[in-house]
Amino acid sequence: QSVLTQPPSASGTPGQRVSISCSGGDSNIGRNFVYWYQQFPGTAPKLLIYNNGARPSGVPDRFSASKSGTSASLVISGLRSEDEADYYCAAGDDFLSGPVFGGGTKLTVL
Amino acid sequence: QMKLQESGPGLVKPSETLSLTCTVSGGSVNSGTFYWNWIRQPPGKGLEWIGSVFYSGSSKKKRSLKSRLTLSVDTSKNQFSLSLASVTAADTAVYYCARSYSTASESSWFDPWGPGTLVTVSS
Repeated sequence: QSVLTQPPSASGTPGQRVSISCSGGDSNIGRNFVYWYQQFPGTAPKLLIYNNGARPSGVPDRFSASKSGTSASLVISGLRSEDEADYYCAAGDDFLSGPVFGGGTKLTVL
Repeated sequence: QMKLQESGPGLVKPSETLSLTCTVSGGSVNSGTFYWNWIRQPPGKGLEWIGSVFYSGSSKKKRSLKSRLTLSVDTSKNQFSLSLASVTAADTAVYYCARSYSTASESSWFDPWGPGTLVTVSS
């Protein structure tokens, strides 16, 4: 069981706005930055969001994220078929003394 | 642009030691700016941070793996390595190496990642 909680699945149609939640606690999301990763089948995860809401160079501005208290969310606007992937949230955990991940959310574009 | 590449046996017998190496190109492991990490993903499951090593050799490890895990860095070869002893089927996973920044917090982001290597524990 993962320390951070994500819904196992999410879906949307092209053009829609989809949100993926990530719930944690005081020792992780509550005190540390949240990161988001995108993973396509058979490939390594790719950094999507760092420091709660910053996008690395090359990540479209359709991807945005925010954090409030012990929860975070990733929002994909203008959904495209190529966004179909698994999405993971992560954060440092002061109690466990290391990074922790969410269980991942499989996004399906209908 | 920095690239990371995992290497090692794809099949390990139960109770034996799993050993992997990550070779870094386009940059140096001999840097106080970064941590060098191992992350694994069992087939069909989520990601799990295993541990990280600094250029000095100091390391941080996931508590549940601490007794079985050895992390090291070889600055002369620009590589870092993982050894996981007494493996069981539960250690079967794709193992990734990844870079993170050295910060005061418990974690920074992982980027870049190696492509990963599947290690199966089976007799």
